[in-house]
Amino acid sequence: AQSVTQLDSHVSVSEGTPVLLRCNYSSSYSPSLFWYVQHPNKGLQLLLKYTSAATLVKGINGFEAEFKKSETSFHLTKPSAHMSDAAEYFCVVSEPQAGTALIFGKGTTLSVSS
Amino acid sequence: DTGVSQDPRHKITKRGQNVTFRCDPISEHNRLYWYRQTLGQGPEFLTYFQNEAQLEKSRLLSDRFSAERPKGSFSTLEIQRTEQGDSAMYLCASSGSLGVGGNEQFFGPGTRLTVL
Repeated sequence: AQSVTQLDSHVSVSEGTPVLLRCNYSSSYSPSLFWYVQHPNKGLQLLLKYTSAATLVKGINGFEAEFKKSETSFHLTKPSAHMSDAAEYFCVVSEPQAGTALIFGKGTTLSVSS
Repeated sequence: DTGVSQDPRHKITKRGQNVTFRCDPISEHNRLYWYRQTLGQGPEFLTYFQNEAQLEKSRLLSDRFSAERPKGSFSTLEIQRTEQGDSAMYLCASSGSLGVGGNEQFFGPGTRLTVL
């Protein structure tokens, strides 16, 4: 069965410094992997997705993630944090062969200070 | 707005009452999903429709929960005899055909249920 572990429940950075949100996954098949962001009182928004094409995936707002099969990781990075990046981030795995549900991690709260 | 919409956005009810939520997916999407998100947790899958057929149900979906998508367009989620443990954000998502976009699902803003 597939599962997702987000290694940090809370990450704090200063504006202009790099962001790293860590995610490990478990999957029996070839997974699709996603990062979603949830701002307060707003819906979930897709940041980026990996679907067995390029292992380095670029998303919106300067975020990117690298799929590393040997490490079963899909960490999210951004070179320079902005105040507007403060939000809840979810790493998500999907196995189309095993069903259609998205399996969410517990989330990482990103705080950005000035 | 051509995104996923949900109604109501907030619902406060007393324990034991029935509640019904509505979801309108993106019009060209034939797949529709319901998730539940409790405080401090990621969303958890409840059920999935392809057109009007309910094809998957999570074990989280107890007998008090029922979902429908009668014409393959909008969907309703009903909770009967609500309990305080049902308090959560109920999220609806929709997607196109499997394999297109890697099962990318588009989420609505959610309905926040509070059971007193």
